[in-house]
Amino acid sequence: ILNVEQSPQSLHVQEGDSTNFTCSFPSSNFYALHWYRWETAKSPEALFVMTLNGDEKKKGRISATLNTKEGYSYLYIKGSQPEDSATYLCAFCEGYQKVTFGTGTKLQVIP
Amino acid sequence: NAGVTQTPKFQVLKTGQSMTLQCAQDMNHEYMSWYRQDPGMGLRLIHYSVGAGITDQGEVPNGYNVSRSTTEDFPLRLLSAAPSQTSVYFCASSTAGSGGVGGYTFGSGTRLTVV
Repeated sequence: ILNVEQSPQSLHVQEGDSTNFTCSFPSSNFYALHWYRWETAKSPEALFVMTLNGDEKKKGRISATLNTKEGYSYLYIKGSQPEDSATYLCAFCEGYQKVTFGTGTKLQVIP
Repeated sequence: NAGVTQTPKFQVLKTGQSMTLQCAQDMNHEYMSWYRQDPGMGLRLIHYSVGAGITDQGEVPNGYNVSRSTTEDFPLRLLSAAPSQTSVYFCASSTAGSGGVGGYTFGSGTRLTVV
């Protein structure tokens, strides 16, 4: 079982603050790294799929970076809004069909 | 475009009963999978399929059966329900096992309680 760790486990930020969280994964046998946004009572929705070392992806106020050599990815949210409140999951893909999810970072944005 | 449809949304079973969780997708995805979500744990892979007629075990397959007779459908069968199978179950699909360029599309989940 692969070790995919996300930190912090949870955080509260004020509306307008920028924030970031980390996904750590094994640095060997990398194939892809996913980020998902999971709102309460809904299902996870894909934000980014990253495959190359140094990849940077952006969607609106949310962006992500990837370092496969050292085994980490950062997710950034600029100017957090209450609607950003959700759990953010990463998933490490080792090879074509082997994927391991982290336990997520639960973000609450306080108005 | 319905995406991934899971039924039922909620189910209560008695220990020893069997049931089938349904999953259907209309995106012509080759890859489909079942996960369970338990408190404090990441999504854990139960079974997956890379195409019609092909299935394989994931991390936690015991007590579950799957089949893939069509590209669209991937039902999960609980053979003899146990309290340890109380969980939220998610079906997911993708163009590829690694998630392709768009990642996995998840169904809305089935909350199962075994008493």
